[in-house]
Amino acid sequence: ELKVEQNPLFLSMQEGKNYTIYCNYSTTSDRLYWYRQDPGKSLESLFVLLSNGAVKQEGRLMASLDTKARLSTLHITAAVHDLSATYFCAVNYGGSQGNLIFGKGTKLSVKP
Amino acid sequence: DTEVTQTPKHLVMGMTNKKSLKCEQHMGHRAMYWYKQKAKKPPELMFVYSYEKLSINESVPSRFSPECPNSSLLNLHLHALQPEDSALYLCASSPTGSMTYEQYFGPGTRLTVT
Repeated sequence: ELKVEQNPLFLSMQEGKNYTIYCNYSTTSDRLYWYRQDPGKSLESLFVLLSNGAVKQEGRLMASLDTKARLSTLHITAAVHDLSATYFCAVNYGGSQGNLIFGKGTKLSVKP
Repeated sequence: DTEVTQTPKHLVMGMTNKKSLKCEQHMGHRAMYWYKQKAKKPPELMFVYSYEKLSINESVPSRFSPECPNSSLLNLHLHALQPEDSALYLCASSPTGSMTYEQYFGPGTRLTVT
């Protein structure tokens, strides 16, 4: 059974600081996704990571994947209030449809 | 058109009612999904349709009945729901035959069962 663990589950940051969210998964998978969700809203796709060593960056967010360690990280650089949201990692299982198992999510709060 | 639409946005229904949720996409995606998300929890997969055929049913109670009438449309028929079924219901679609199989989510239907 595929398990996906995120930590921390809650993160309170000050603006301008850096931090990393971790996502561990229990069995081999070839695709890892990061999503953002604002309160009461749907999920917004941030990154799709396909291969070992993959690194993607968008603005103040950078995601990486280590398939050997079964670990992905989401690094936040110089946080701003607009980044406050819940961040989910998700790992595919079961073949080509991209069926996803989600981590529990990290609720990020960036304070001035 | 790069979005998934869902109607209605909000739905309140009694335990004896029958209602339906609708999801539509015009991106040519041939895989469509229903997820259930309770407050402060991650989304949980309910059903997957691939090429208009049900490919995955994650042991969902029969009071939830999915339907995929064509490649652009996905319905979720609701009957005799329980209060614990109150949640945000998310629809998603993804391309088949791509490298990423990235799922695009709709805005969701917030369902309250009274």
